[in-house]
Parts: sequence; C-alpha cells; structure tokens
Amino acid sequence: EVQLVESGGGLVKPGGSLRLSCAASGFTFSSYSMNWVRQAPGKGLEWVSSISSSSSYIYYADSVKGRFTISRDNAKNSLYLQMNSLRAEDTAVYYCATVMSSTWFDYWGQGTLVTVSS
Amino acid sequence: QSVLTQPPSVSGAPGQRVTISCTGSSSNIGAGYDVHWYQQLPGTAPKLLIYGNSNRPSGVPDRFSGSKSGTSASLAITGLQAEDEADYYCQSYDSSPYYVFGTGTKVTVL
Repeated sequence: EVQLVESGGGLVKPGGSLRLSCAASGFTFSSYSMNWVRQAPGKGLEWVSSISSSSSYIYYADSVKGRFTISRDNAKNSLYLQMNSLRAEDTAVYYCATVMSSTWFDYWGQGTLVTVSS
Repeated sequence: QSVLTQPPSVSGAPGQRVTISCTGSSSNIGAGYDVHWYQQLPGTAPKLLIYGNSNRPSGVPDRFSGSKSGTSASLAITGLQAEDEADYYCQSYDSSPYYVFGTGTKVTVL
C-alpha cells in the first residue's frame, strides 16, 4: 500500500524558514517523480514544485521560485521542501504527491499545515 | 492562481445526475493535454477520481465519468449519493505552470 507521510509544518514568522519532509513507502520511490501541492485555508489546490526520479529535472511555480527548494533522498525514500523567506500568502496545507504514469497525481499524503504569521 | 475554471457549486437530490465543467485554454486542455479529476472529502487529502479524461482508477464507482472536448472537460456523477458530497477539482498540464488545477466545485447533495 502506497503511503506518503508529510511532516515539518508549523507556525513561522514572515521571513522565516521551514523544511518539510515526506516519507514514502509501498512503492519504488526512486522510480517516480514527486511533487508538492498546497492548499490555502478555504481555497483551491496549487501546484508548488516537481522533482524527477533522479533529481535531474526540477520545476517551481512562479509564486515560490527563488524561495523554495525541492530535493529528495532516494536512499531514504524521502522528499523535502526547503521554504525560505516565507510570506503570509504561503500559509497552506502542503501535500506531497506522486506522478507515476503521466500527468496526474496518483497518490497524496495527508498534508502538513504551514502557518506564516507574526 | 487557478488556470482552469469550474463552477463554484452544483447540487442535486439523491439519485440525480450532476455535471461539473472545467474550462481551460489553448495552452492546456486545448493543446491536447489530458484532464484529470480529484475528489476531496471534507478534512481530507484529494483523491484521484478520473485520469486521462475518462478513466477510473480501481475502486472508483462507475457512476463517476469524465469527458473532454476542445478546451473543456466535464465530470458527471450519476445516481448521486450522500457520500459524494465533496469538493471536486479538475487538473491538466500547461507550459507554465506545469500542472494546473481548476478553481474547484463544491457538490451538495440536497
């Protein structure tokens, strides 16, 4: 059974940093691209970042480019999101999600809440 | 910012059929990229409902169906049930940003 478990969320002040983690199990993590998708309170879904299976290809939404860094450790079956220079508008539940076949998100974690507030 | 447009809400009585539209543009749906749908029950993570315009993952009831035409797509729920009350999102691919979502539609079972 595929499991994705996010951690690392919390309350941080504007301008601060936070590192999210996603622990994966139940599939061959090193074979698939991974993504972060966020959802602001009461709002819709927004894709944040993608990383290919070998970390060769990395993409970011314009809203986080230059501030967030996605990475992965295939030996540890883990995905990360380093978030710097956080803003109030980054407040959201952050989900990690797999893309296994084509252009859809097959599996999602339960999410971790990031709150940026003074 | 959402690139795909959905109606904010739709509603129907149990047993009825409801449809949700998803309108994109020539850079995403109209460019030939597939449309996928997700169901998000209250307080939970999204779950893949339809992939590749009209395909259902294992375990998804056949009363959920999807279609695509031109720059739009739609999700139909036939035989609406109380457990279908949720938010539904369409998703496609674009040149930038790479993955785009719809604005989301809340389905209410009357």
